[in-house]
Amino acid sequence: ETGVTQTPRHLVMGMTNKKSLKCEQHLGHNAMYWYKQSAKKPLELMFVYNFKEQTENNSVPSRFSPECPNSSHLFLHLHTLQPEDSALYLCASTSMSAAYEQYFGPGTRLTVT
Amino acid sequence: DQQVKQNSPSLSVQEGRISILNCDYTNSMFDYFLWYKKYPAEGPTFLISISSIKDKNEDGRFTVFLNKSAKHLSLHIVPSQPGDSAVYFCAAIYSGGSNYKLTFGKGTLLTVNP
Repeated sequence: ETGVTQTPRHLVMGMTNKKSLKCEQHLGHNAMYWYKQSAKKPLELMFVYNFKEQTENNSVPSRFSPECPNSSHLFLHLHTLQPEDSALYLCASTSMSAAYEQYFGPGTRLTVT
Repeated sequence: DQQVKQNSPSLSVQEGRISILNCDYTNSMFDYFLWYKKYPAEGPTFLISISSIKDKNEDGRFTVFLNKSAKHLSLHIVPSQPGDSAVYFCAAIYSGGSNYKLTFGKGTLLTVNP
């Protein structure tokens, strides 16, 4: 596997469920990001991890809980979500040598019922 | 308040013609700009970028122009090909900040007709 992978690609969950999104990057990057893309809105940055340390939480509700066990893996734990949380969740990574060029995964299409 | 604006949600051009996608920004601290392309069911992929010390950057069929005084940049695709049909996102960053935070526009859907 190369690049940035995300699983699952599609997820339907009820408001009382708990689920997790997974992101893995095979690029040797040291920074990883979670973005949310809702219909007709710009990509919204949610969290940033740099060398496994969370360095940014962009006022994200606590029902979203990120985890970065190492520089290659990033998780987004979801619990008691709302229907308005339905969106495409994108993971990205970047390296210090090309810090502005973020590499994105294919995203997880989340539907909250 | 949107700091990066792509005011055209969609653009349709004929194959072989020029496609011009526009982007405006409001934050004068931004000093590096990127364009991403996104196909359905895929994540955005980096296309081309430009630093604020330049006013033009070219890569094959893609050229980005930056007008700092107008806080405006544009992406030119010449000649346009059907495979260029995708959503194009403009993004901006302040290089002096931390975390390499990109601010994105809403995107413009480009359709290139054969």
